[in-house]
Amino acid sequence: EVQLVESGGGLLKPGGSLRLSCAASGFTFSTYSMNWVRRAPGKGLEWVSAISSSSGHIYYAESVKGRFTISRDNAKNSLYLQINSLRAEDTAVYYCARDLGIAGTATLDYWGQGTLVTVSS
Amino acid sequence: SYELTQPLSVSVAPGQTARITCGGNNVGSKDVHWYQQKPGQAPVLVIYKDRNRPSGIPERFSGSKSENTATLTISRAQPGDDADYYCQLWDSGTAVFGGGTKLTVL
Repeated sequence: EVQLVESGGGLLKPGGSLRLSCAASGFTFSTYSMNWVRRAPGKGLEWVSAISSSSGHIYYAESVKGRFTISRDNAKNSLYLQINSLRAEDTAVYYCARDLGIAGTATLDYWGQGTLVTVSS
Repeated sequence: SYELTQPLSVSVAPGQTARITCGGNNVGSKDVHWYQQKPGQAPVLVIYKDRNRPSGIPERFSGSKSENTATLTISRAQPGDDADYYCQLWDSGTAVFGGGTKLTVL
């Protein structure tokens, strides 16, 4: 059974940093691209970033470029998201999601339950 | 940047058919996917590549597409279908979600 478990969220102050983690199991992690998606309170889903299976291709939403860094450790079956210079608008539930692997598109077929990041002074 | 437009809300009576639209420039040339998200739960993929259902998704869920509009159709709507629905595609190195549609079955 595919499982994705996020961790690392919490209450942080503006300007701070944190690293989110996503532990994957139940599939061959090293062969799948992975994504981070967030949902702010009262808002819809917002795609944040994607990373290919071997980390050779990395993509970011314009809204997070320069502050967020996605990475992965295939030996540990783990996905990460480093967030710097936190802002109030980063407050959201952050989900990691697996890409089904259809060429030319991103299809998110499995999602974790999410980890809540709250940025407030 | 690319934008996808969805109605904020759709209401349907139990047993009837709900249709949720997703509009975007030349969306007909891109693969569109649909997700269902219930309160407090993770999103679930219900349609991928315009009209394909993942295993476990009821046949009541179907997708279609024209040049500028993709549509998610839910036949014989049930109270359990109450949820937010999002369309999504990939454009120029970015995944784009529509704003989401709240489906109410009442």
